[in-house]
Amino acid sequence: SAVISQKPSRDICQRGTSLTIQCQVDSQVTMMFWYRQQPGQSLTLIATANQGSEATYESGFVIDKFPISRPNLTFSTLTVSNMSPEDSSIYLCSVPGTGVDGYTFGSGTRLTVV
Amino acid sequence: AQSVAQPEDQVNVAEGNPLTVKCTYSVSGNPYLFWYVQYPNRGLQFLLKYITGDNLVKGSYGFEAEFNKSQTSFHLKKPSALVSDSALYFCAVDNQGGKLIFGQGTELSVKP
Repeated sequence: SAVISQKPSRDICQRGTSLTIQCQVDSQVTMMFWYRQQPGQSLTLIATANQGSEATYESGFVIDKFPISRPNLTFSTLTVSNMSPEDSSIYLCSVPGTGVDGYTFGSGTRLTVV
Repeated sequence: AQSVAQPEDQVNVAEGNPLTVKCTYSVSGNPYLFWYVQYPNRGLQFLLKYITGDNLVKGSYGFEAEFNKSQTSFHLKKPSALVSDSALYFCAVDNQGGKLIFGQGTELSVKP
């Protein structure tokens, strides 16, 4: 299965600022996914990022707040813009598995907005 | 609406006893079903998945899951629990080419 390097692992940010999260995959993948896990809750899909096209956002998530880049088949970034304390969550990227494997997840970015 | 339910927020088991973590789903068609585990301050680790075929799926760390189409359930099981199995477990379904829908998670606590 693919290996994902996600950075940063955690950060504490001031409200009103932005944070960019990076995910690097050790193999080429067509689709990458970004999820949010709010404190004590489950994971919710933010958007699907395909190389060469705009990301597709789920209901409740907008590009102005969560812009995504996908410059090539191994890399993607998610920016959390104009942050507020409500954005404090764990953000994870994911790529599809192959064969008997499931989707692979990055180790997550634990964001705290103060 | 499509959904996944894990009816138990927490499951407590004594070490050496069998464990079951329940999952039911409401998704149209024939979804793929997954179990993931999340240890504190770590990402999600894949345990197993069901696509088609044998209703009993064997996965990592001695876990297995039983698919029941008539009950739309996919319960996670292990014959003998270990203290190190204590973690947060998520059931998930994939019905739209990659869009995973997760249950709310079940905290498994295994006591010595």
